[in-house]
Amino acid sequence: KQEVTQIPAALSVPEGENLVLNCSFTDSAIYNLQWFRQDPGKGLTSLLLIQSSQREQTSGRLNASLDKSSGRSTLYIAASQPGDSATYLCAVSHSDSWGKLQFGAGTQVVVTP
Amino acid sequence: GAGVSQSPRYKVAKRGQDVALRCDPISGHVSLFWYQQALGQGPEFLTYFQNEAQLDKSGLPSDRFFAERPEGSVSTLKIQRTQQEDSAVYLCASSLVGGHTEAFFGQGTRLTVV
Repeated sequence: KQEVTQIPAALSVPEGENLVLNCSFTDSAIYNLQWFRQDPGKGLTSLLLIQSSQREQTSGRLNASLDKSSGRSTLYIAASQPGDSATYLCAVSHSDSWGKLQFGAGTQVVVTP
Repeated sequence: GAGVSQSPRYKVAKRGQDVALRCDPISGHVSLFWYQQALGQGPEFLTYFQNEAQLDKSGLPSDRFFAERPEGSVSTLKIQRTQQEDSAVYLCASSLVGGHTEAFFGQGTRLTVV
């Protein structure tokens, strides 16, 4: 059974520092991996989608890497800003699962001015 | 529509009451998912529709939970005889085709059973 783990559960950094968020999964037979952002009381906003054949995806200050063989993904956020404060979730899908996502519990990030 | 819309945003139900939660997916999106999110946890899969067909309902916690999407667009998640453990945020997501494309989530319905 797939398990998705995110460490650390919470992270606080001063503005301007780079953020490194980790996601690990136990079953490497994934179809894709998505990173989401969730603000308090809100739904999820998709940040990056990495197909299983890809090693990384980039969007602006965000870069996500994927190492399927070791069951790991890392989300890098460069030059953090207070507006980056949120909970970040990773989720994986499997080819035989209609695209349903299995989520980690998230990393709660606070960027202090 | 511009995004996935869910209603109501908040629902307080007395234990034993039936509730219905609505999801309007992005127009043209074939796939629709329901997830349940407990406080401090990631969302947990409940059920999946491709058009009007419910292809996977393995995540529904009990037979008190029922979902439908009769015309392949709007979906309703119904919970009968609500219990306190049903209190959670219920999230709806849609994606374009086949379920493996990017998923777009609504803002969720926060259900509190008292």
